Amino acid sequence: QKEVEQNSGPLSVPEGAIASLNCTYSDRVSQSFFWYRQYSGKSPELIMSIYSNGDKEDGRFTAQLNKASQYVSLLIRDSQPSDSATYLCAVIERSNYQLIWGAGTKLIIKP
Amino acid sequence: DVKVTQSSRYLVKRTGEKVFLECVQDMDHENMFWYRQDPGLGLRLIYFSYDVKMKEKGDIPEGYSVSREKKERFSLILESASTNQTSMYLCASRPRGGGYTFGSGTRLTVV
Repeated sequence: QKEVEQNSGPLSVPEGAIASLNCTYSDRVSQSFFWYRQYSGKSPELIMSIYSNGDKEDGRFTAQLNKASQYVSLLIRDSQPSDSATYLCAVIERSNYQLIWGAGTKLIIKP
Repeated sequence: DVKVTQSSRYLVKRTGEKVFLECVQDMDHENMFWYRQDPGLGLRLIYFSYDVKMKEKGDIPEGYSVSREKKERFSLILESASTNQTSMYLCASRPRGGGYTFGSGTRLTVV
């Protein structure tokens, strides 16, 4: 059974600081990785995708992938209260190309 | 932008009723999915479809069926609704190898 693990949190970060969210996965041959943000009562929204080792930056968000260690992380710089949400990590399973979801990390940005 | 539209935002149904949840996407995506999301349990895959008239069981198909007669439309059917099917239902679509785009969700309450 392929798995994606996330710390459920809540992770509390002061406004303006860097929030660091981590995710590990068990399928060694996975190639595609995604971060979704979900506000309470809303559906998940894709914020970052990453396919190769290293960093990928988009505005205040940076996704980091390390395939050798099987982890992917999301950094949020200059955290804002509006970043408070649950962040879901998802990995495409190579055998059937389905997304395997982590349970999500709840992030709270304190003003 | 890809748009995934779910027909109802909130539904209240009685036990034993047949319930139809409709989902339409406008970007010609091959793959469509139905998930339910419950607190503490994360996203659980009910059914998915790779193409018209094709369907595959996900992790929790019991009590559900699906229909995909047209590429843009994927329907979830609760043959005889039960209270344990009270949940948030999320439809998603994606192109091959890409990330998911979710609809806004349907919060179903079975009384």
